[in-house]
Amino acid sequence: QKEVEQNSGPLSVPEGAIASLNCTYSDRGSQSFFWYRQYSGKSPELIMSIYSNGDKEDGRFTAQLNKASQYVSLLIRDSQPSDSATYLCAVNIFTGRRALTFGSGTRLQVQP
Amino acid sequence: ETGVTQSPTHLIKTRGQQVTLRCSSQSGHNTVSWYQQALGQGPQFIFQYYREEENGRGNFPPRFSGLQFPNYSSELNVNALELDDSALYLCASSLEGFNQPQHFGDGTRLSIL
Repeated sequence: QKEVEQNSGPLSVPEGAIASLNCTYSDRGSQSFFWYRQYSGKSPELIMSIYSNGDKEDGRFTAQLNKASQYVSLLIRDSQPSDSATYLCAVNIFTGRRALTFGSGTRLQVQP
Repeated sequence: ETGVTQSPTHLIKTRGQQVTLRCSSQSGHNTVSWYQQALGQGPQFIFQYYREEENGRGNFPPRFSGLQFPNYSSELNVNALELDDSALYLCASSLEGFNQPQHFGDGTRLSIL
């Protein structure tokens, strides 16, 4: 079992719709969770961080965390073609070091 | 505020050669982590440096080594290059603290022929 799992996609949504991206993780001791956006040929860009159960909103982005079910999700409201990218879920799995464990990413396509 | 900078942008090497990649951390960040990202995969943790000491290592062989300097900049060295080392190498910096988010540089694209 992979430590962090994401559906590779592509997830295709029409412009203006809500895109929902999901991620599950295996280590119950995980403490911090991050979403990165990566455009093709570019490096990952941090868009959200979440540390406690519930929702965290930042503009059009909402991160949701459920530690009991070991999943974290990212909602993008009013999706725009410029949101088309690969979204990487990263988890800080506690092993005494501050390394991030990444999923393989979900490719999002927003259709104009 | 200066972000994370990496050099060079691209590099082409042949099998068996050695390579050094460089990273300058974001202003005020004292922790540097290195990741390898193969095409279509998420970044894989190589190692992390804090206060000039290695502070954790992923599942990479000893031919991957690194340094951190007093100004928090860092180097990644890879010896005896193999074809599978072809990847995007990413440096990320963060503040001290377990839950601090990591911010990535633009990466170095390494191609092994």
